[in-house]
Amino acid sequence: DSGVTQTPKHLITATGQRVTLRCSPRSGDLSVYWYQQSLDQGLQFLIQYYNGEERAKGNILERFSAQQFPDLHSELNLSSLELGDSALYFCASSVAMGSGDGYTFGSGTRLTVV
Amino acid sequence: DQQVKQNSPSLSVQEGRISILNCDYTNSMFDYFLWYKKYPAEGPTFLISISSIKDKNEDGRFTVFLNKSAKHLSLHIVPSQPGDSAVYFCAASGRNTGNQFYFGTGTSLTVIP
Repeated sequence: DSGVTQTPKHLITATGQRVTLRCSPRSGDLSVYWYQQSLDQGLQFLIQYYNGEERAKGNILERFSAQQFPDLHSELNLSSLELGDSALYFCASSVAMGSGDGYTFGSGTRLTVV
Repeated sequence: DQQVKQNSPSLSVQEGRISILNCDYTNSMFDYFLWYKKYPAEGPTFLISISSIKDKNEDGRFTVFLNKSAKHLSLHIVPSQPGDSAVYFCAASGRNTGNQFYFGTGTSLTVIP
């Protein structure tokens, strides 16, 4: 158990639908990162939050949004889902921005869009 | 724009031999590098890191080498064990990336008993 909790572990939904992925960071970590891993792709950075504020954006589609709440958990919202959104979505956390210890990853949410 | 590249999607090695996983990067401002290991159905876990002030860092069976002039790093596993079979990601960050880590596409290592 890495200390980063992601729910749900698996999600199957239809095209056009909206889903919410949840992440609880490791205790004491203020930074949360979302990554997408599609088939045969590396980890694509989506977005980062630090202590409730958005700090960096990567290749995140406009149909996707995220937020970090006062208790530091984060949610990634995916809307108007397309087949190509099927992927593993990882959340990671770190103590601070740019932590030299790298990130601690959760076990991911596997999203399947049918 | 893939700033961190792992050009070998897969690698097979006999148990007991050396595994060498390679990673290239394009951003000359990257100054911190990490390797992560990922088993199926799990998230990546931190393995070893190296800062640009060093050219080598060793931790048990794992050694990471950094060649800054070639913008290349490699992970050596000696001796390789079946439990090392996993996907390995390299990642890099630097001050001009907001200390954001950029990940490669991963190399799937299979250690054959």
